[in-house]
Amino acid sequence: SQQGEEDPQALSIQEGENATMNCSYKTSINNLQWYRQNSGRGLVHLILIRSNEREKHSGRLRVTLDTSKKSSSLLITASRAADTASYFCARYIQGGSEKLVFGKGMKLTVNP
Amino acid sequence: EPEVTQTPSHQVTQMGQEVILRCVPISNHLYFYWYRQILGQKVEFLVSFYNNEISEKSEIFDDQFSVERPDGSNFTLKIRSTKLEDSAMYFCASNRQGSNYGYTFGSGTRLTVV
Repeated sequence: SQQGEEDPQALSIQEGENATMNCSYKTSINNLQWYRQNSGRGLVHLILIRSNEREKHSGRLRVTLDTSKKSSSLLITASRAADTASYFCARYIQGGSEKLVFGKGMKLTVNP
Repeated sequence: EPEVTQTPSHQVTQMGQEVILRCVPISNHLYFYWYRQILGQKVEFLVSFYNNEISEKSEIFDDQFSVERPDGSNFTLKIRSTKLEDSAMYFCASNRQGSNYGYTFGSGTRLTVV
């Protein structure tokens, strides 16, 4: 299967805490992307990390990529109630396949 | 900020009926996609479209499904004879230049087949 898994599948934290979500995958990738989905809404692109990059930052988001372990993590620092959403990692498969393959997603709840 | 627009937001249809889901991608984007998400489950790829033709499709995208870009702005997904299991959120997405860019998704169409 080309699809990986987000881990944990659900996370509940207090406002101000950091949230870390992990993603594993099985095949070689061109890049890996993280998306957020608020309940009943579309997916919002958060950040893209290429296969030759190891870490990337965007505001309160930090993404790491370890291609040797085929894993990525998304860290949200100083979480807010508004960060409550589902988070998905999506792999762009190496080899010319013009599609993103999404994981199952992870539900983050930030309690005020 | 440019948006991908999908209509309708919710569609209820009888089993066996045809439905057309409409999308207006971002104007300078070149790649277009349909995904679906059955309630509470993973986001599944259906089809990608580039240069006025399908570039890739999944096993889900069988002969009941078709896509069109009839007028250079709209991008439609047609399901010819809906089944109960087609009930899902359908998301359209567009992308500027393929693999090195994130996708912009629409808000989705919730399709309910009864």
